[in-house]
Amino acid sequence: DQQVKQNSPSLSVQEGRISILNCDYTNSMFDYFLWYKKYPAEGPTFLISISSIKDKNEDGRFTVFLNKSAKHLSLHIVPSQPGDSAVYFCAASDFNKFYFGSGTKLNVKP
Amino acid sequence: DAGVTQSPTHLIKTRGQQVTLRCSPKSGHDTVSWYQQALGQGPQFIFQYYEEEERQRGNFPDRFSGHQFPNYSSELNVNALLLGDSALYLCASSSTRAAAPPQHFGDGTRLSIL
Repeated sequence: DQQVKQNSPSLSVQEGRISILNCDYTNSMFDYFLWYKKYPAEGPTFLISISSIKDKNEDGRFTVFLNKSAKHLSLHIVPSQPGDSAVYFCAASDFNKFYFGSGTKLNVKP
Repeated sequence: DAGVTQSPTHLIKTRGQQVTLRCSPKSGHDTVSWYQQALGQGPQFIFQYYEEEERQRGNFPDRFSGHQFPNYSSELNVNALLLGDSALYLCASSSTRAAAPPQHFGDGTRLSIL
């Protein structure tokens, strides 16, 4: 049973435009959500997180939105840069147990 | 400040063998989690260690076992290897002292089963 889903395996965006990555989850007990970025041959790198008591968290060019009623999470990157090209994983936490989506490969074209 | 380090980086084994993977957490971290990442998939939670005990476990068979040492480093052991165990194994560390700790990952061990 996949409790965290990323339904878009890939996304292509022009440099300077907004990138929107989406994530859906099924478990209403998740209390913490995170986004990770992964380059080839490296481990995932923590990007941004949000607690279940909030609906938005912003860090520079990155903003995460949480819609608890829809069980939906999204990451906005504005403006997108070529260096943002990587695989993005969303993750959800339930008492120290982390569940990851299958990832979305973002390609930012110059 | 060293991050999470894993060894070895690559490993080739045959079916039925046993393997041990090692992880040193980021300085100041006391909790270690292990994940299996198959090709094209996200990391799957195997288990988590805190205070030298297994605190949480995912849906993995008993062939997967672990250990945490007093210095917080950890080992993942897999017995009776199967072809399906071929994957990238990731270690992540975090601190229970942080209010809402993100996990910091190592670069992983690529395990290939022949």
